[in-house]
Amino acid sequence: AQSVTQPDIHITVSEGASLELRCNYSYGATPYLFWYVQSPGQGLQLLLKYFSGDTLVQGIKGFEAEFKRSQSSFNLRKPSVHWSDAAEYFCAVGAAEYGNKLVFGAGTILRVKS
Amino acid sequence: KAGVTQTPRYLIKTRGQQVTLSCSPISGHRSVSWYQQTPGQGLQFLFEYFSETQRNKGNFPGRFSGRQFSNSRSEMNVSTLELGDSALYLCASRADSGSGNTIYFGEGSWLTVV
Repeated sequence: AQSVTQPDIHITVSEGASLELRCNYSYGATPYLFWYVQSPGQGLQLLLKYFSGDTLVQGIKGFEAEFKRSQSSFNLRKPSVHWSDAAEYFCAVGAAEYGNKLVFGAGTILRVKS
Repeated sequence: KAGVTQTPRYLIKTRGQQVTLSCSPISGHRSVSWYQQTPGQGLQFLFEYFSETQRNKGNFPGRFSGRQFSNSRSEMNVSTLELGDSALYLCASRADSGSGNTIYFGEGSWLTVV
C-alpha cells in the first residue's frame, strides 16, 4: 500500500535558521512528489513538485527539495526561515498508475521563534 | 487566471441532513478531485472526476457522492450527515488525467455537523 511518512509532527526553529522537513514514502510505482503548505483556515498552496529529471527542485518562497530514490525520501529545505513560514507542511505522493489520487503525509507544523 | 474556487466556504448542518459542495476548477482543467481533511484522519482522497466520469474513488461510504458537469465544474454531496463528517473539504484540479500535471487546491469548504 502507498504511504507517506512525515516523522516530525512539530518543529520549532529560530527565525533566520535553516530548516529541513523530512518526508519518506512507500510507493509501488514511479512516484511524483509534492510539498504543500497550509496556513490556518486556508487551503493547500503548492510549494514545489518533482516529476522527473533533476532531483533537486526549487519552489516558491525560497524552498527547495531533493528527491532521493535510494532513500525513498523527498525532504524540504530552506536556508533561512522567516516568521511568515510558520504553517503546516504536507508532503504528498502520486503516481500515473493512480491517476489524480494523492497520498498525503500527516503534516509537520512549523513554529518560528523570534 | 483564477484558481480553484469552492463554495460555500463555511456551512453548518444538522445530523441527518444532506449537503452539496461546489467546485470550479482552473480554466482549462478537466480533472477534479475531492479530499476530506480532519484532525484525526488527515487528508484523505474521496474521488476524482474527468470528463464527467468518476475515474477513481477512495474508501468512503456511499453517502459521499459526486458529479462533474460538461464545463468541468464539480459538486460533491454528502447525505445523512453524521457528526464525523465535520471536516474541511478540499477540491483540486489538474489539466488532465495524465501523469505529471500539477495539482492545485482550492481554499476548501468548512463543514460543521451539529
